Amino acid sequence: NAGVMQNPRHLVRRRGQEARLRCSPMKGHSHVYWYRQLPEEGLKFMVYLQKENIIDESGMPKERFSAEFPKEGPSILRIQQVVRGDSAAYFCASSPRPYEQYFGPGTRLTVT
Amino acid sequence: AQKVTQAQTEISVVEKEDVTLDCVYETRDTTYYLFWYKQPPSGELVFLIRRNSFDEQNEISGRYSWNFQKSTSSFNFTITASQVVDSAVYFCALIKASSGSARQLTFGSGTQLTVLP
Repeated sequence: NAGVMQNPRHLVRRRGQEARLRCSPMKGHSHVYWYRQLPEEGLKFMVYLQKENIIDESGMPKERFSAEFPKEGPSILRIQQVVRGDSAAYFCASSPRPYEQYFGPGTRLTVT
Repeated sequence: AQKVTQAQTEISVVEKEDVTLDCVYETRDTTYYLFWYKQPPSGELVFLIRRNSFDEQNEISGRYSWNFQKSTSSFNFTITASQVVDSAVYFCALIKASSGSARQLTFGSGTQLTVLP
């Protein structure tokens, strides 16, 4: 059973561009979570999704950030008009049931 | 709101020493889960253990052991006979078990463990 897949592993964007981060959950997992790890900060929850539904987006910045988990295909975290402060590691986790989250390897976003 | 505190920012030990990583948590919920994750230099997050609030039995897995004490709101992690490969950042985390939609992990700030040869 393959683990949680994230791609790309590293992403470089210039200020003002869009960043799209993809997450494929483990087989059979219907819950997806996104977390962000900013330099010098801990891991912070961003959003929790199930197929075609956003369940909890209390950790998402109000502007420029969006997430989806379509019926088919990976979950996407989209950041529009990136700024230097968006540079971070973005982790996706999936779970087969509540209270059990398995993380992917992360996407390191660098905004130049 | 939940809070997880890992007061030890960095710990350095020599190989074969035992080391304990502290974790103290705050929550008003009576039902919750506690976790430890390892983040090696390669950057991924590796799940180590999950423990629910009703199970205070200590757990041992090889060189790893965990001590959960509800009375002191602590969930400490001990590595016995440490090895260089144990060098990593270790995160303690908590999730409340509610019937609602909240499923977010609250992480501590992490402890950087360095094991010297």
